[in-house]
Amino acid sequence: DQQVKQNSPSLSVQEGRISILNCDYTNSMFDYFLWYKKYPAEGPTFLISISSIKDKNEDGRFTVFLNKSAKHLSLHIVPSQPGDSAVYFCAASAGNNDMRFGAGTRLTVKP
Amino acid sequence: NAGVMQNPRHLVRRRGQEARLRCSPMKGHSHVYWYRQLPEEGLKFMVYLQKENIIDESGMPKERFSAEFPKEGPSILRIQQVVRGDSAAYFCASSPGSGRVYEQYFGPGTRLTVT
Repeated sequence: DQQVKQNSPSLSVQEGRISILNCDYTNSMFDYFLWYKKYPAEGPTFLISISSIKDKNEDGRFTVFLNKSAKHLSLHIVPSQPGDSAVYFCAASAGNNDMRFGAGTRLTVKP
Repeated sequence: NAGVMQNPRHLVRRRGQEARLRCSPMKGHSHVYWYRQLPEEGLKFMVYLQKENIIDESGMPKERFSAEFPKEGPSILRIQQVVRGDSAAYFCASSPGSGRVYEQYFGPGTRLTVT
């Protein structure tokens, strides 16, 4: 039961350009969405989040957009840096402790 | 470093043996979550615990898996009679407490290999 989907397993972007990572969800009860970043051999680290009452949240180079009608969210990284190369997980929660994660997108930022 | 700690980082078990995975939450955190990541898949929620209580175990397999978070000491995820399909990375996360359950901090994970 894949309630959170990241359909692109990988993405490659040139340094300085924009990276756009996408995430779709099926459960209309989700009301909080998060992005985590994961380096090899490390646990995921929280990056940015958005509540369902908003459609945009910005933190430095990172912006998350939420389109509730389309059940879609995206993470924009501008400008992309080589250090941003990692696996990015989208996660969603319905106000309980059961956070559902997508399968992840591997971002590679080329110098 | 007061981050979430997990040990061992790597664990190899033969089929039929028991695996014990430990998680020490961040200082001041009283909520612990366990997730499993199978190859090429995302993180799957397994169980949520507070001190001495299992709050939500809806993601735990019905058999062979158990978890505890005692009053003293780390949280333990126990897998009895391991099978090859249990091979995965197991991540623990902790959070400060009620009202902030979304703020989960992850440990580095334990990679379990069943031979």
